[in-house]
Order: sequence, then structure tokens, then C-alpha cells
Amino acid sequence: KAGVTQTPRYLIKTRGQQVTLSCSPISGHRSVSWYQQTPGQGLQFLFEYFSETQRNKGNFPGRFSGRQFSNSRSEMNVSTLELGDSALYLCASSSVTVNEQFFGPGTRLTVL
Amino acid sequence: AQSVTQLGSHVSVSEGALVLLRCNYSSSVPPYLFWYVQYPNQGLQLLLKYTTGATLVKGINGFEAEFKKSETSFHLTKPSAHMSDAAEYFCAVTGGDAGNMLTFGGGTRLMVKP
Repeated sequence: KAGVTQTPRYLIKTRGQQVTLSCSPISGHRSVSWYQQTPGQGLQFLFEYFSETQRNKGNFPGRFSGRQFSNSRSEMNVSTLELGDSALYLCASSSVTVNEQFFGPGTRLTVL
Repeated sequence: AQSVTQLGSHVSVSEGALVLLRCNYSSSVPPYLFWYVQYPNQGLQLLLKYTTGATLVKGINGFEAEFKKSETSFHLTKPSAHMSDAAEYFCAVTGGDAGNMLTFGGGTRLMVKP
């Protein structure tokens, strides 16, 4: 069974631009969660989608948004990028609520 | 609200020595607890989890952890460290309405000396 895939793996943007990251969950998984990992703040939860509905949201500004499609693939968007948005963005999928989550390799975003 | 504290951002052990990584949590609902490992330039891999039932949980690669409610702890241990165990380890908690929203500790980088 293929694991969680994230594209692209690396991305360089400049301040003020917007970016879209993509996540394909493990086949059959309907829950997709997004996390931001930085050296200063560690791992922080962004949001979770289940069956195309946002189920939980972390404490991030409205510039961070996401969506999930009917095939469970998910995208997250960050608008008006700031230097502080430079991070590793991790996606995780799960088959049921509060089960083990399987993480993808992440997308490393650098904002210049 | 839930929180996790991992004591020691860096832990160094000799190969063959006991590995002990500490995790204390705070949760107002019965917690579900997890340990993840992250190797350089990779995502997180689940080592083990506690949801309900037996408080001593065995995971992959010889790791285990014990849920102690009275101490609000979920420490990770391995009897004998191997060089391949060098990585960063994260403890995480969820529970109640949090669902899949994991709250992570700050992480512990494990170094293994030959």
C-alpha cells in the first residue's frame, strides 16, 4: 500500500506570494491533518479534514486555509507569505478517529 | 486544553545502554498518547500508542512505554541503544473532542555514541 505523498517536496517563494501544497492520503483513509514544523515553535496542528469537512482547526491566522476533495486528497494554501511561514509542512492521514496517523515526508517551504 | 512536556531536548547514550526519554502530559480528558520518531529530512513514524487497556505498550524497534496516570507520564524506553536509534523523538497527546488533533512535545534528540 502506498504511503502518504506530498507534493512538492521543496518550494521557494518570496514574501507576499501565495502557495498551495498537496497531500494524497493512504488509499481508504478519509481523515487528513496538516502540521507545521519549525525549529522555534516545534510541531503545531493546522487543521484536519474528514470527508471534505474541516473538523478541527489550530491557532493559525486566516492566511492558512485548506480543503479536501471527494477522493480524500487535500490541499493547503498560504496566502501573503511571510518569512515566518518558512517551515516543514507535514500531512498525516488516518482511517478512523483517534487512530494512528501516518505522516508524509513533508514539504519544505522557504520564504525569501 | 492539552499539553506535553518532554524533559531534555538532547539525550546522549552509549551504544548498548538503556534509552529513557521522558514525557509528561496534561489533559482534562482521558488521553490517547503517542511516540513518534523523525529521521533527518523525513516525516514522522509512529513508534507506539496508548489508547485504553494495558498500560505497558510495546512498539516497533524494541521500544516500549508505560502509561502512568498518577504521574501523568508516558516515558519511552529501550533496553539497549543501537546506532540506528539516533533521531528525534516526539511525544504527543490527544483525546476527547480533539480527535486527530495531536499536541506535540518539543522533541528530544537522541544521540548514540559508539
